[in-house]
Amino acid sequence: RKEVEQDPGPFNVPEGATVAFNCTYSNSASQSFFWYRQDCRKEPKLLMSVYSSGNEDGRFTAQLNRASQYISLLIRDSKLSDSATYLCAVRRSNDYKLSFGAGTTVTVRA
Amino acid sequence: GAVVSQHPSRVICKSGTSVKIECRSLDFQATTMFWYRQFPKKSLMLMATSNEGSKATYEQGVEKDKFLINHASLTLSTLTVTSAHPEDSSFYICSASGNTGELFFGEGSRLTVL
Repeated sequence: RKEVEQDPGPFNVPEGATVAFNCTYSNSASQSFFWYRQDCRKEPKLLMSVYSSGNEDGRFTAQLNRASQYISLLIRDSKLSDSATYLCAVRRSNDYKLSFGAGTTVTVRA
Repeated sequence: GAVVSQHPSRVICKSGTSVKIECRSLDFQATTMFWYRQFPKKSLMLMATSNEGSKATYEQGVEKDKFLINHASLTLSTLTVTSAHPEDSSFYICSASGNTGELFFGEGSRLTVL
């Protein structure tokens, strides 16, 4: 079983729609969780960290469910510029190594 | 601006040649850098952890003699793909952690081996 798994999508949504997707992780000892955004042929860029109580950054909301070992990302009022691949990343300890999922592709259409 | 710079961004080489990729931290000293490889539509796979002044730690399945890593200073790590073959064609990305623990990624290097 992969350490981090994501639904690859693609999620094709109209502008203004809400889209949400999950990422599951297999190691219960995982300590830190992140969502990255990756545009085609570019490096990943940190979108947001995911905190235990859930957190929001503008139109983006991240949740952590430790019992079921998944994190989620919700995008409200989707914009065309939100089209990208969203990678979840999990860190097991404080050695800064991240394990990534394969990404969920989101396409927002006009 | 970028805090981690990677060079070259794109390289095309013939099979059998060696290619060196540089990763520099621009605004901070990076005691640890990470090298990832990403195939199309796949996740970033950690290849190795580069530690300044010591040997790199390779992930299982990554050939250390094939992928040479040198981290000679606190701002520079290099990855050399030796005797490159077409199956080594990939997107190689480095990342560096500063004192705060946040990871910064380089822009990536796309290697195409003919």
